Amino acid sequence: QKEVEQNSGPLSVPEGAIASLNCTYSDRGSQSFFWYRQYSGKSPELIMSIYSNGDKEDGRFTAQLNKASQYVSLLIRDSQPSDSATYLCAVNTNSGNTPLVFGKGTRLSVIA
Amino acid sequence: KAGVTQTPRYLIKTRGQQVTLSCSPISGHRSVSWYQQTPGQGLQFLFEYFSETQRNKGNFPGRFSGRQFSNSRSEMNVSTLELGDSALYLCASKYASGNSYEQYFGPGTRLTVT
Repeated sequence: QKEVEQNSGPLSVPEGAIASLNCTYSDRGSQSFFWYRQYSGKSPELIMSIYSNGDKEDGRFTAQLNKASQYVSLLIRDSQPSDSATYLCAVNTNSGNTPLVFGKGTRLSVIA
Repeated sequence: KAGVTQTPRYLIKTRGQQVTLSCSPISGHRSVSWYQQTPGQGLQFLFEYFSETQRNKGNFPGRFSGRQFSNSRSEMNVSTLELGDSALYLCASKYASGNSYEQYFGPGTRLTVT
């Protein structure tokens, strides 16, 4: 059974701080990793994808992947109250012919 | 490009009835996946269609079914509705290029079964 684990939170950070969200996965053959943001009552929105070990930066977001340790993380710099949402980690084993496996998400609250 | 669209957005049905939900993927995307999201279970995969064929199937009873048309639009059907089927049903379309791909969700259909 392929599993993706996330701390459910809530993770509370002050405005302007760095929020660090973590995700571990069980399938060592996983190759594709994604972070989605979901606001309450809305659908998930893709914010980052990462396929290789290391860091990938996009604006205030940085995804970090460590396949040896089987974890992927998302850093949000200069956190804003508008970043308050649930962040879902998703993992896939191959190049897209199998479904994404989602974690249950971490709820982030950015306090002004 | 227009995003993934789903209709209807909200639906109220009675136990025992059936329901059909519709999804139109992003233009050019041939893969459509369906998910059920509930507060307790999170996002659970229902099935995926690619080029009108079911490519993957989740662990849901046979009351849940789907299909995909030649224009990539997809429908899912739930028969004999149960109270536990109340959920947000999400459709996602996927675009693959080489070893990378991206999956985008539609706004969802909120189904309430009374």
